[in-house]
Amino acid sequence: DIQMTQSPSTLSASVGDRVIITCRASQSISSWLAWYQQKPGKAPKLLIYKASSLERGVPSRFSGSGSGTEFTLTISSLQPDDFATYYCQQYNSYPRTFGQGTKVEIK
Amino acid sequence: EVQLVESGGGLVQPGGSLRLSCAASGFTFSSYWMHWVRQAPGKGLVWVSRINSDGSSTSYADSVKGRFTISRDNAKNTLYLQMNSLRAEDTAVYYCARNDSSGTGGAFDIWGQGTMVTVSS
Repeated sequence: DIQMTQSPSTLSASVGDRVIITCRASQSISSWLAWYQQKPGKAPKLLIYKASSLERGVPSRFSGSGSGTEFTLTISSLQPDDFATYYCQQYNSYPRTFGQGTKVEIK
Repeated sequence: EVQLVESGGGLVQPGGSLRLSCAASGFTFSSYWMHWVRQAPGKGLVWVSRINSDGSSTSYADSVKGRFTISRDNAKNTLYLQMNSLRAEDTAVYYCARNDSSGTGGAFDIWGQGTMVTVSS
């Protein structure tokens, strides 16, 4: 199974900050990586697919980069609505696997 | 509106069974592979199972293989998860999710709201 490791696990930031979350795969997944946002009590929401493509309707302050085993999710200017938990997921092979999540908290 | 709505969760004793349903609307259900993903209380997302568009191919996480069965009824636009021999560690919110092979290459672009399964005596 491909292991996905996110860092950090928790991040404290202020509105307007630039935030970077890293995701590392235990083996190459090419660009088959997605990022999801989840708020408490809600279903995950797709933000980024194919490592760097922005899902329709997602604000442009979200961006993704990377390929192979190293990936990043960047929020260029953190907004109040962005405080949530973020998960990366590989869809290169089965079983599909997720990172453990990064909780973005208010500083 | 594109939508997935899960149902069927509840409290069940260890060793018991439960069948979850996921009703799809707003899109051509029979064209999409579908998945089940679960989330234990306070924990992260874990993939459970997937089924292809016509139901002829399935796969499972090792933790549920032999106990859970995924299926679908394309005439009813509904996805199912039959869960047998339930254990305490199966306690979680269960989400169904749409696999968008054409647009995103396989990311999960639509999710249901989730249904809670609690396994406890």
